Amino acid sequence: QQQVKQSPQSLIVQKGGISIINCAYENTAFDYFPWYQQFPGKGPALLIAIRPDVSEKKEGRFTISFNKSAKQFSLHIMDSQPGDSATNFCAARDDKIIFGKGTRLHILP
Amino acid sequence: DAGVIQSPRHEVTEMGQEVTLRCKPISGHNSLFWYRQTMMRGLELLIYFNNNVPIDDSGMPEDRFSAKMPNASFSTLKIQPSEPRDSAVYFCASSWGTGRHQPQHFGDGTRLSIL
Repeated sequence: QQQVKQSPQSLIVQKGGISIINCAYENTAFDYFPWYQQFPGKGPALLIAIRPDVSEKKEGRFTISFNKSAKQFSLHIMDSQPGDSATNFCAARDDKIIFGKGTRLHILP
Repeated sequence: DAGVIQSPRHEVTEMGQEVTLRCKPISGHNSLFWYRQTMMRGLELLIYFNNNVPIDDSGMPEDRFSAKMPNASFSTLKIQPSEPRDSAVYFCASSWGTGRHQPQHFGDGTRLSIL
């Protein structure tokens, strides 16, 4: 059973565009929702995170939107840059972190 | 600051051999996590420790897998005997505490290939 569903699997965006990645979850016990970014040959690294008592969190070009009633959350990357090309994972945590399957993001120069 | 250090970075071995993966967490961190990453199953938690004690090993796939943390600065993940389906990238991560809002810091992984 996939507890955190992520889409799309891959995404191609023009430089300067907006990248949007969506995730959905079922377990209402989740109370922390981090996003991790992974470059080839490296481990995942925390990008940004949100708690469910907040509907939006913004850090620089990265924004998480959170809809608690729909049990959905999304990552928006504004002004996408080639350096953002990576695999991004949404995740949800109760006692442990459950990761989505990842979105391979490619920003065209 | 040194991050999480994993060794070896790559391991190629034949089926049936024993494999030992090593991890040195960030100094001061007291929680350590072992993950496995494959294309099919994504990133899966295998086991995690708090203060060197295993807390949850429900993700360990079979008895062939075992993990130890003899002290705060070292952990091993052992597979014996190894099988081709164990081929994956194995990550170690550490954090300060097990609080839900504590970020986990990942090493760069060990790419394991079982022939």
